[in-house]
Amino acid sequence: GQQVMQIPQYQHVQEGEDFTTYCNSSTTLSNIQWYKQRPGGHPVFLIQLVKSGEVKKQKRLTFQFGEAKKNSSLHITATQTTDVGTYFCAGSMDTGRRALTFGSGTRLQVQP
Amino acid sequence: GAVVSQHPSRVICKSGTSVKIECRSLDFQATTMFWYRQFPKQSLMLMATSNEGSKATYEQGVEKDKFLINHASLTLSTLTVTSAHPEDSSFYICSAPRTGALNEQFFGPGTRLTVL
Repeated sequence: GQQVMQIPQYQHVQEGEDFTTYCNSSTTLSNIQWYKQRPGGHPVFLIQLVKSGEVKKQKRLTFQFGEAKKNSSLHITATQTTDVGTYFCAGSMDTGRRALTFGSGTRLQVQP
Repeated sequence: GAVVSQHPSRVICKSGTSVKIECRSLDFQATTMFWYRQFPKQSLMLMATSNEGSKATYEQGVEKDKFLINHASLTLSTLTVTSAHPEDSSFYICSAPRTGALNEQFFGPGTRLTVL
């Protein structure tokens, strides 16, 4: 079945440093989404990427979708303590079914 | 944004009992809802797809007789964990996709189940 892996599993940075998490799927995706889950909370939608090679920015966050639509990345510039949480990518193979396969997640800790 | 609620938020039960978890879309209709399970510090694993008016679709390895899903209306799906055992203790989260082209999922706040 489809597998979605993320690296690193965990990253600890000093406030102000940059952070990147990488997502790789074993199969080609129709789209990829990114979610953030704060400790004790539920996943919150950040963004969806659909097109091959797509790049989207949200303030300090930059999202990329690979040319082959099998990998993606999330880059945070100048991290803040509010960025703490686990970041999940989630891929969808079947545009009709809309079910998501979640990546393993990257837990970000930001030291003030 | 769209709101999805879950009830209860936390439940502790004895081994062998059944627990029902409700998932409601509060301000939109959802013909499809998804149920996930999340163990501590792990990712979300899709358990099943709940379809309004028809049978749920279960992922491989998920026992349909143990995790009963009912999607009786366009705003409510229920997950019943039957004859719960300690290994069923987990965080159960439902989600409903936004209608339209964007496949954004709105997640409920989750239900923490502890089976003693």
